[in-house]
Amino acid sequence: DARVTQTPRHKVTEMGQEVTMRCQPILGHNTVFWYRQTMMQGLELLAYFRNRAPLDDSGMPKDRFSAEMPDATLATLKIQPSEPRDSAVYFCASGDRVYNEQFFGPGTRLTVL
Amino acid sequence: KQEVTQIPAALSVPEGENLVLNCSFTDSAIYNLQWFRQDPGKGLTSLLLIQSSQREQTSGRLNASLDKSSGRSTLYIAASQPGDSATYLCAVGGQGGSEKLVFGKGTKLTVNP
Repeated sequence: DARVTQTPRHKVTEMGQEVTMRCQPILGHNTVFWYRQTMMQGLELLAYFRNRAPLDDSGMPKDRFSAEMPDATLATLKIQPSEPRDSAVYFCASGDRVYNEQFFGPGTRLTVL
Repeated sequence: KQEVTQIPAALSVPEGENLVLNCSFTDSAIYNLQWFRQDPGKGLTSLLLIQSSQREQTSGRLNASLDKSSGRSTLYIAASQPGDSATYLCAVGGQGGSEKLVFGKGTKLTVNP
């Protein structure tokens, strides 16, 4: 049963702490996306990778956010230092090679106090 | 800049009714359009993917149509059931050869028993 997995599912932290979210894309997918969902803004693309290379991170606050793909089975999104306005649900998605149909993980619900 | 609008924002119907959800987009140069379902506190589930060369796709009681020239898509749900209650999101992708998806804010559907 191929699916995108994300850890942790929930994270509560204090302002100023580092947060790392992890994603395992579906095996064989060549694109990986990080999205953030809030009530006010809806779903926003933060960054995406094709064949592990970062293609677009224009949606990320560069001073505090970073996204990497150390290998084909792991994508990470880090926030350092975290701020209360970063509280949101962060989704990872991977896309298949042929049709670019995107499949989403269950998300990480982040609360920054 | 691509903008995606979904109307209505919320819809409540009695069980058994056929219904249509609407999605419009401003830039018709898309590669594909994807409909998702999101249950409260959960990730997004892909329902249907329509390539730009296609007019419609069907899966069970769901039928999605695409009219690229007018910038519109509809999701038709036949014989609605309480289990169909969820938020339905439309997303368009492929501008400029990019795999990025631009999402609408969604339609929250409630099917009453």
